[in-house]
Amino acid sequence: TQLLEQSPQFLSIQEGENLTVYCNSSSVFSSLQWYRQEPGEGPVLLVTVVTGGEVKKLKRLTFQFGDARKDSSLHITAAQPGDTGLYLCAGAFGDYKLSFGAGTTVTVRA
Amino acid sequence: EPEVTQTPSHQVTQMGQEVILRCVPISNHLYFYWYRQILGQKVEFLVSFYNNEISEKSEIFDDQFSVERPDGSNFTLKIRSTKLEDSAMYFCASSGQGPIYGYTFGSGTRLTVV
Repeated sequence: TQLLEQSPQFLSIQEGENLTVYCNSSSVFSSLQWYRQEPGEGPVLLVTVVTGGEVKKLKRLTFQFGDARKDSSLHITAAQPGDTGLYLCAGAFGDYKLSFGAGTTVTVRA
Repeated sequence: EPEVTQTPSHQVTQMGQEVILRCVPISNHLYFYWYRQILGQKVEFLVSFYNNEISEKSEIFDDQFSVERPDGSNFTLKIRSTKLEDSAMYFCASSGQGPIYGYTFGSGTRLTVV
């Protein structure tokens, strides 16, 4: 079983501050995805990164894939209360499944 | 936006009873999955299904579990004899190109075994 470690587990910041969430593994991913999950709902795909060193931006969210394809980060600039939620990274290691990290709970205080 | 639809949203069942969880994946998707999430824990892989057969399954997916795609649109997960520890949110997901480009998840079925 491939393990993905997410850090930190919890993050609480003030509106307007920046935050970064990390996802690491000892295994090489075929791709790395970030999802956001609201309570009682299924995960919703935010982005997929495939190429080592790849950087993708989605409004105030910046996603980076490590050169060796073993780690990734999610950076939120000028966080807003609407960014509050559980952020999950998920790695594709083979042809048929994703393995998920335990998640980072982000709370943005107004 | 195409959706993955799961029914029921909640299911309460007695220990030892059989349950069937239903999913309607996105119509042109080819890869189908079941995941579960025990309260407060991570999302865990159960099984993947492609080309009308199981392509991979986890150690959680034992003989008590089975999946079917009976009519080309529905995708079901059956638990034959439920245990208390089967209580969890069960998520169905589908993908057009496999795991590399991401999944669309349904909203889940909350299964409570009493």
